[in-house]
Amino acid sequence: QVQLQESGPGLVKPSETLSLTCAVSGYSISSDHYWGWIRQTPGKGLEWIGSIYHSASTYYNPSLKSRVTISVDTSKNQFSLNLGSVTAADTAVYYCVADIANCWYYYWGQGTLVTVSS
Amino acid sequence: EIVLTQSPGTLSLSPGERATLSCRASQTVSSSYLAWYQQKPGQAPRLLIYAASSRAIGIPDRFSGSGSGTDFTLTISRLEPEDFAVYYCQYYVSSLLTFGPGTTVDIK
Repeated sequence: QVQLQESGPGLVKPSETLSLTCAVSGYSISSDHYWGWIRQTPGKGLEWIGSIYHSASTYYNPSLKSRVTISVDTSKNQFSLNLGSVTAADTAVYYCVADIANCWYYYWGQGTLVTVSS
Repeated sequence: EIVLTQSPGTLSLSPGERATLSCRASQTVSSSYLAWYQQKPGQAPRLLIYAASSRAIGIPDRFSGSGSGTDFTLTISRLEPEDFAVYYCQYYVSSLLTFGPGTTVDIK
């Protein structure tokens, strides 16, 4: 049973980089799963940010691709999200997700609220 | 880009009633990549249905999915008190996932 837990700053200043980590338990991050990030805002609803597979293949939402990096730390069994040049529009609840397919996600973290404000 | 539209926006029903939720795609899509989620306040979404009609692990059989082409349906045969929530459809194509805006099922 995969368990996911997000962590990171709850407040980020505009133009800075939002960095979140997702700790994975119950499963090896080196396994055949896709590890990803989804965010949710009242205005735009659920938005897929991107995912990573086998620590190397990355897939990003074209609307965010220029600002997003997803990476894996196998030594800590966790993966991370970096979103650069943030604005107030990036204020959202961020979820880390996982599944054996990249078409939908069975495993979700509890979510973490990130506010972009000076 | 495929856009998903869900209707109705809100469905007001009583426990024991049947709920029928619609998800319409802006163009013909493969049912193999259509999923449904349930979200309750303060919780992460939960995968209910994948590949249009397959129930995820642990999902009760009162939940069923159907459809093809551009029109997909999530049916809850008899609403239980814990089923009042927001429901989202989601589609995958070309390494991109998109979600519908959601349908709220609330208590009448």
